[in-house]
Amino acid sequence: DAGITQSPRHKVTETGTPVTLRCHQTENHRYMYWYRQDPGHGLRLIHYSYGVKDTDKGEVSDGYSVSRSKTEDFLLTLESATSSQTSVYFCAISEWGTSGVTGELFFGEGSRLTVL
Amino acid sequence: AQSVTQLGSHVSVSEGALVLLRCNYSSSVPPYLFWYVQYPNQGLQLLLKYTSAATLVKGINGFEAEFKKSETSFHLTKPSAHMSDAAEYFCAVSESGNQFYFGTGTSLTVIP
Repeated sequence: DAGITQSPRHKVTETGTPVTLRCHQTENHRYMYWYRQDPGHGLRLIHYSYGVKDTDKGEVSDGYSVSRSKTEDFLLTLESATSSQTSVYFCAISEWGTSGVTGELFFGEGSRLTVL
Repeated sequence: AQSVTQLGSHVSVSEGALVLLRCNYSSSVPPYLFWYVQYPNQGLQLLLKYTSAATLVKGINGFEAEFKKSETSFHLTKPSAHMSDAAEYFCAVSESGNQFYFGTGTSLTVIP
């Protein structure tokens, strides 16, 4: 199994509070991703990173920010949580960019966030 | 633009019957294609992937998928369903290899 740890695994918070989810990898992969999973929508990309301090937006990035100060850590922050951000959040990593690698995604176990 | 359509959000099959989960993709270039499986309260696991080699791809747990360019399809099959196959299945496409787009998923129920 790919070494991906997400924390916290479960969190309940109130509208308007800041929330940070952490993804930690031990694989030294270049690419890291944050997805959210919602019924009827599958997985949608929030942000991704292609290196330390190199990040880009995905299809549902509004209301979210990310940071990557170290290769192994990718943080997702909700500056002011809203009920529409209640979801299951998955971190994923990929070794895309390594010569000869086609780069499938490896997923963490998910973080379930409830915003009341 | 890349996109994936999975026909049938819920599929039920009898144990021992053929499993067929449909995936059609849209891509402007030859894509990479993937099937993932998700068991309850877990992350996604790779079942198989197509990366422009053989068009018939074999994966884990007896699953396979065939890339058909003319039909822009990548349907997932398994000859004989097992109770342990009950899960949610996601098809995904990537053009560049660094961004992935997922379908909305198909929930597979296996009836004893």
